[in-house]
Amino acid sequence: QQQVKQSPQSLIVQKGGISIINCAYENTAFDYFPWYQQFPGKGPALLIAIRPDVSEKKEGRFTISFNKSAKQFSLHIMDSQPGDSATYFCAASKSNAGKSTFGDGTTLTVKP
Amino acid sequence: ETGVTQSPTHLIKTRGQQVTLRCSSQSGHNTVSWYQQALGQGPQFIFQYYREEENGRGNFPPRFSGLQFPNYSSELNVNALELDDSALYLCASSSKGGTGSYNEQFFGPGTRLTVL
Repeated sequence: QQQVKQSPQSLIVQKGGISIINCAYENTAFDYFPWYQQFPGKGPALLIAIRPDVSEKKEGRFTISFNKSAKQFSLHIMDSQPGDSATYFCAASKSNAGKSTFGDGTTLTVKP
Repeated sequence: ETGVTQSPTHLIKTRGQQVTLRCSSQSGHNTVSWYQQALGQGPQFIFQYYREEENGRGNFPPRFSGLQFPNYSSELNVNALELDDSALYLCASSSKGGTGSYNEQFFGPGTRLTVL
């Protein structure tokens, strides 16, 4: 049973464009929703995270939008750059317990 | 401050063998979680260790076992290897505070295991 569903599987965006990746979760006990960025040969690195008491969080060019009633959250990357080309994973956990459930990832390619 | 390190980087084993993977947690972290990442998929939670005790387990069989040492480093052991065990094994360290809350987890680069 996949508890976190991520889409799209792959995404191609022009430099300067907006990249949007969506995730949906099932377990209402989840209360911590991070996004990770992974480059080939590296482990995932935390990009930005949100808790359900807010509907949006912005850090630089990265924004998480959170819809608690729909059990959905999304990552927006503004002014996408070729260096943003990587695989992005959404995840969910209870109280940031480190026992995270991950989506299957989105491979983002930003064309120059 | 050193990050999370894992060894070895790559490993090739044959079906039925046993393997031990190692992880050194980030300085100041007392919790280690292990994940299995199959090709093209997201990491799947195997188990977590907190102060040398198992603190939660995902949907993995008992042939996946672990240890955490007093310095908070950790080992993942897999017995009777199967072809489907081929994956990137990630360890992540974090810190559990006195109130029971956790800080963010930091991942190591992983160990790529190939089972032939």
